[in-house]
Amino acid sequence: EVQLVESGGALVQPGGSLRLSCAASGFTFGGYWMSWVRQAPGKGLEWVANIKEDGSQKYYVDSVKGRFTISRDNAKISLYLQMSSLRVEDTAMYYCARDRGWLQHDSWGQGTLVTVSS
Amino acid sequence: QSALTQPASVSGSPGQSITISCTGTSSDVGRYNYVSWYQHHPGKAPKLIIYDVSDRPSGVSNRFSGSKSGNTASLTISGLQAEDEADYYCSSYSAPSVFGAGTKLTVL
Repeated sequence: EVQLVESGGALVQPGGSLRLSCAASGFTFGGYWMSWVRQAPGKGLEWVANIKEDGSQKYYVDSVKGRFTISRDNAKISLYLQMSSLRVEDTAMYYCARDRGWLQHDSWGQGTLVTVSS
Repeated sequence: QSALTQPASVSGSPGQSITISCTGTSSDVGRYNYVSWYQHHPGKAPKLIIYDVSDRPSGVSNRFSGSKSGNTASLTISGLQAEDEADYYCSSYSAPSVFGAGTKLTVL
């Protein structure tokens, strides 16, 4: 069974940093692109970033470029999202998701909550 | 990049069929056959129920079906059941991708 478990969410002040982690199990992690998707309170889903199987390609939504960095460690079967210069509008539930191609996400975690507030 | 347009809410009685529309543009839904639909029960992990416009992942009920015409994609749920009550999101590849704002399905 595919399992994705996110962690690292917290309350952080504007301008602060946070690192999210996603522990994967039940599939060959190194064989899949992976994404982070977020949902702000009362809003819809928004794709944030994704990373190729070997980490050699990374893509970001415009609003986080230069502030967020996606990475992965296939030996540790984990996905990460380093977030810096956080803004109030980054407040959201952040989901880790496995990609089946063309940014269609076939497995998701239950999410970790990031709150940016003073 | 604007979000795809979905109705905020739909409702139906058990056993009935409902359809949720998802309207985009010629740059996303109209251009690519990579429309996906997700079911989300609050507090749980979202679940992929349709990909590539009309394909169902293994294990997803055949009561769920997808289609597309022009810039509008649709999700139809037939034989509504109580457990179908959830939020539904569409998404389209658009280099990168765009989601709809979601539709709340209420089973009366």
